[in-house]
Amino acid sequence: DIVMTQSPDSLAVSLGERATINCKSNQSILFPSNNKNYLAWYQQKPGQPPKLLISWASTRESGVPDRFSGSGSGTDFTLTISSLQAEDVAVYYCQQYYDTPRWTFGQGTKVEFK
Amino acid sequence: QVQLVESGGGVVQPGRSLRLSCEASGFTFNSYGMHWVRQAPGKRLEWVAVISSDGSNQYYAESVQGRFSISRDNSKHTVSLQMSSLRAEDTAVYYCAKDSSSIFFTYFDHWGQGALVTVSS
Repeated sequence: DIVMTQSPDSLAVSLGERATINCKSNQSILFPSNNKNYLAWYQQKPGQPPKLLISWASTRESGVPDRFSGSGSGTDFTLTISSLQAEDVAVYYCQQYYDTPRWTFGQGTKVEFK
Repeated sequence: QVQLVESGGGVVQPGRSLRLSCEASGFTFNSYGMHWVRQAPGKRLEWVAVISSDGSNQYYAESVQGRFSISRDNSKHTVSLQMSSLRAEDTAVYYCAKDSSSIFFTYFDHWGQGALVTVSS
């Protein structure tokens, strides 16, 4: 299985500041034939199910604020929250869907207020 | 809007069985693959099983292969997970999730609220 590793495990950021979460896969999840990275980002708030934020490494879902952005390719990816808001406190997970039907997630990164 | 509502969770003894169901609405159910994903307390999300849109293909995580069975009833817009020979390590919140693509298996664009399964004597 493809192993997804996130860093850091937790992150304390001041309101309005930038938060950066990294996700690394142990093999490339870039599909050469279509040049797409098979990576999604999810946000999970306490007591709630995960919510899809970004697919294909950088495509924001409809309704997701533009302060959320995804970048990276191959094995290294980043989720950036450009200006942290109160409602962004959550755990964030990356997921690969390159190796279906063996989907795997990162361990999660908890974003808190400093 | 898409809604996924799980039911059937509860407390069960090790070695026993339990069946989870997920009722879907708000989309063309028979066009999409459906997944079960679980989350043990304090742990990362773990994909469990998937069934194709027409029910002809099912795939399982190694950790549940041979013990869990996924099925769907497109006439009732439901997907189920039959869990047998349950172990303490199967204790988790189980989420029903919809695949985003009607053609291939990809990522999960909608999730249910989850059903808690506790395996304990």
